[in-house]
Amino acid sequence: ETGVTQTPRHLVMGMTNKKSLKCEQHLGHNAMYWYKQSAKKPLELMFVYSLEERVENNSVPSRFSPECPNSSHLFLHLHTLQPEDSALYLCASSQDGGGSTTDTQYFGPGTRLTVL
Amino acid sequence: AQKVTQAQTEISVVEKEDVTLDCVYETRDTTYYLFWYKQPPSGELVFLIRRNSFDEQNEISGRYSWNFQKSTSSFNFTITASQVVDSAVYFCALSEAWSGGSNYKLTFGKGTLLTVNP
Repeated sequence: ETGVTQTPRHLVMGMTNKKSLKCEQHLGHNAMYWYKQSAKKPLELMFVYSLEERVENNSVPSRFSPECPNSSHLFLHLHTLQPEDSALYLCASSQDGGGSTTDTQYFGPGTRLTVL
Repeated sequence: AQKVTQAQTEISVVEKEDVTLDCVYETRDTTYYLFWYKQPPSGELVFLIRRNSFDEQNEISGRYSWNFQKSTSSFNFTITASQVVDSAVYFCALSEAWSGGSNYKLTFGKGTLLTVNP
């Protein structure tokens, strides 16, 4: 596998379910990101991990819980979501976790989440 | 606050036409980066180009070209001789220094949906 992969590609869940989204990058990068893309809205940055440490939580509700066990894997744990959380969730990675000015983020294909 | 404006919500052209996608940005940073990404129906954002604030040279890559004008804070993207496979949403993005200068946060525009008809 190359690039950034995400599983599952599609997920339907009820409001009381607990599920997890997985992201894996095969680029040797040190930083990973979660974005939310809702209809008619700009991409919203949710979380950033740099060298496996969370750098930022961008005012995301606690029903979203990220986990970064190593620099290649990123999870987004979901519980008691609301219908308005339905969106495309995109994972990205970038080379340098140390503040390079040349960071380009490479994105995965996303997980299309529907909350019923 | 940094801001990226893509005033064109949707553009529809006929194959082989040239099309320009506009991007205007606002920033107080003197050092920043501008990006274009393509999002086809499959959903993945595909990186197209990165340009730093000190390099105003225009760039051409095949049928794609980019015009960076610092004086007007614009970074426009032109597709020459468009093809049906160019149909996608195109996003312009601006990087800003993250908290403490580590990593760079991308501020995205709302995107322009380009439809190329046969």
